[in-house]
Amino acid sequence: DTEVTQTPKHLVMGMTNKKSLKCEQHMGHRAMYWYKQKAKKPPELMFVYSYEKLSINESVPSRFSPECPNSSLLNLHLHALQPEDSALYLCASSQEAGGTDTQYFGPGTRLTVL
Amino acid sequence: DQQVKQNSPSLSVQEGRISILNCDYTNSMFDYFLWYKKYPAEGPTFLISISSIKDKNEDGRFTVFLNKSAKHLSLHIVPSQPGDSAVYFCAASAWDSNYQLIWGAGTKLIIKP
Repeated sequence: DTEVTQTPKHLVMGMTNKKSLKCEQHMGHRAMYWYKQKAKKPPELMFVYSYEKLSINESVPSRFSPECPNSSLLNLHLHALQPEDSALYLCASSQEAGGTDTQYFGPGTRLTVL
Repeated sequence: DQQVKQNSPSLSVQEGRISILNCDYTNSMFDYFLWYKKYPAEGPTFLISISSIKDKNEDGRFTVFLNKSAKHLSLHIVPSQPGDSAVYFCAASAWDSNYQLIWGAGTKLIIKP
């Protein structure tokens, strides 16, 4: 089983709203990732968690706040977003955070910021 | 500087024929390569990978070839099926790549009936 689940599937929010994206995996993976993907572009890495600790933050604005409550769950808290933040947000996981471990992606959350 | 390049934005292939998607890279430190398939508004689906110690890896209809001297890899799909129509991303990583997959820009594959 290589399933990563994400909720919600779609989210529309205003610039003053606070919302959260959720990601879950039950593969026993110790690394989890948040990516942002714009149309017709490859995914852009935002955050990496390794053993529930934030190990990589790719200079992401503070209006995006990740959280890893446990080894199976990853959240992305959103606050005061801008319209240009509208994108597909992808969660992924891998056995370890390392160069040769395959990352498995969830279906994504389509976010629209009005 | 694009370290992973997919120079064909799109490719059209007849159903039942072979689809060949190409990927070039510049960083000789890459030691692991992956292909992902993506449908619109969905997450990428892992297809197949290859380590730099191999030159070929096969999984069903999918075969990936790696030519390290040319810094080139290709994905072969035989036979091509309508469900193969999607965007295909090539990605690479190095053991010291700071956990990052370096992605190509993608190639849109269209399978014609």
